[in-house]
Amino acid sequence: DTEVTQTPKHLVMGMTNKKSLKCEQHMGHRAMYWYKQKAKKPPELMFVYSYEKLSINESVPSRFSPECPNSSLLNLHLHALQPEDSALYLCASSQEPTGIGNTIYFGEGSWLTVV
Amino acid sequence: QQQVKQSPQSLIVQKGGISIINCAYENTAFDYFPWYQQFPGKGPALLIAIRPDVSEKKEGRFTISFNKSAKQFSLHIMDSQPGDSATYFCAALMTGGGNKLTFGTGTQLKVEL
Repeated sequence: DTEVTQTPKHLVMGMTNKKSLKCEQHMGHRAMYWYKQKAKKPPELMFVYSYEKLSINESVPSRFSPECPNSSLLNLHLHALQPEDSALYLCASSQEPTGIGNTIYFGEGSWLTVV
Repeated sequence: QQQVKQSPQSLIVQKGGISIINCAYENTAFDYFPWYQQFPGKGPALLIAIRPDVSEKKEGRFTISFNKSAKQFSLHIMDSQPGDSATYFCAALMTGGGNKLTFGTGTQLKVEL
């Protein structure tokens, strides 16, 4: 079963709010990812966690703060966002952070609207 | 060097026809090439993937053809169905480089009755 679960599915927040997106996988995967996807565009990598440690930050603004509480959970804390941050936020996971044929599985995403 | 170029941007195919989407890459360090299918409002779902030491891989109606020397690969959807209407992304991965997927720009496929 290749399932990455994301909550909430939809989120509307004001520019002064603090909210969090949550992601969970029970496949024993040791790498987890956050991607951002704007309409009609491909997903863009934001963060990579490898064995619960942040390994890649693609120069994401500090108003996005990732957290990996344990090997199954990944959070994205949001604070003081801008309207242009409105997008589909995708969580993904893979069995290992490197290695040939290492498939990356995506969740359904959280639709974020910043007003 | 990190780009993956994808064409066409959109494609309309009649039911039962063959849909063909093409991708090209420059960086020879890429060593894994997955295709993702994305329906509106959903996350991308892995469709099929290939390694560069294989020239063709088939899974049901979906086939990847890979030309290593030309640095090109393509997705063929045989007997296309209306349920195949979605956006398709090719991607490339350097598995030794932090598992960073480089996506193509996407192809919106519409299969008409």
